[in-house]
Amino acid sequence: AQSVTQLDSQVPVFEEAPVELRCNYSSSVSVYLFWYVQYPNQGLQLLLKYLSGSTLVESINGFEAEFNKSQTSFHLRKPSVHISDTAEYFCAVSDAGGFKTIFGAGTRLFVKA
Amino acid sequence: DTEVTQTPKHLVMGMTNKKSLKCEQHMGHRAMYWYKQKAKKPPELMFVYSYEKLSINESVPSRFSPECPNSSLLNLHLHALQPEDSALYLCASSQEAGATYNEQFFGPGTRLTVL
Repeated sequence: AQSVTQLDSQVPVFEEAPVELRCNYSSSVSVYLFWYVQYPNQGLQLLLKYLSGSTLVESINGFEAEFNKSQTSFHLRKPSVHISDTAEYFCAVSDAGGFKTIFGAGTRLFVKA
Repeated sequence: DTEVTQTPKHLVMGMTNKKSLKCEQHMGHRAMYWYKQKAKKPPELMFVYSYEKLSINESVPSRFSPECPNSSLLNLHLHALQPEDSALYLCASSQEAGATYNEQFFGPGTRLTVL
């Protein structure tokens, strides 16, 4: 069975500082990995995904994540955060051929001025 | 059009009421999903429809009844709900279920309150 662990429930950080949101997964099969972001009172939006190929994936708004198979991790990073990045971030995993996406518990990123 | 729309945005209902949530997408996606999300929790999968057929029911109580009238529409019929069913109900769609490109597109959700 697959599972996703987000190690931090909340991450407070000052504006323009770097941030890392941690995600570990467990699965016995090939997986696809996702980061979704949820702004207050909204649905989830895909931030980035790893399906195959290059282990470093980037989003259009400066986030990146690196798939590390040996450490079963898919941590999300941004070198300089903005106030507008304040949101809930969910790491998710689905297996190849699976119908389900399993979400982690979420990490609340709070960017302070 | 890369949007999933949901109506209504907010719904307040009594325990004896019958109501329906509606979800629509026009991206040609063949998989549609219902999730329930409680405050400060991740979305919990309720149902998956693939090619208009129910593929997954995550042991959801029968007071929730999904319906997929066509490939663009997904409904969730509600009857005799309990206060603990109050939550944000999210609809999502993806190109196909069980495929490599199963990135899901989410609607904004319906905030349901059961009195």
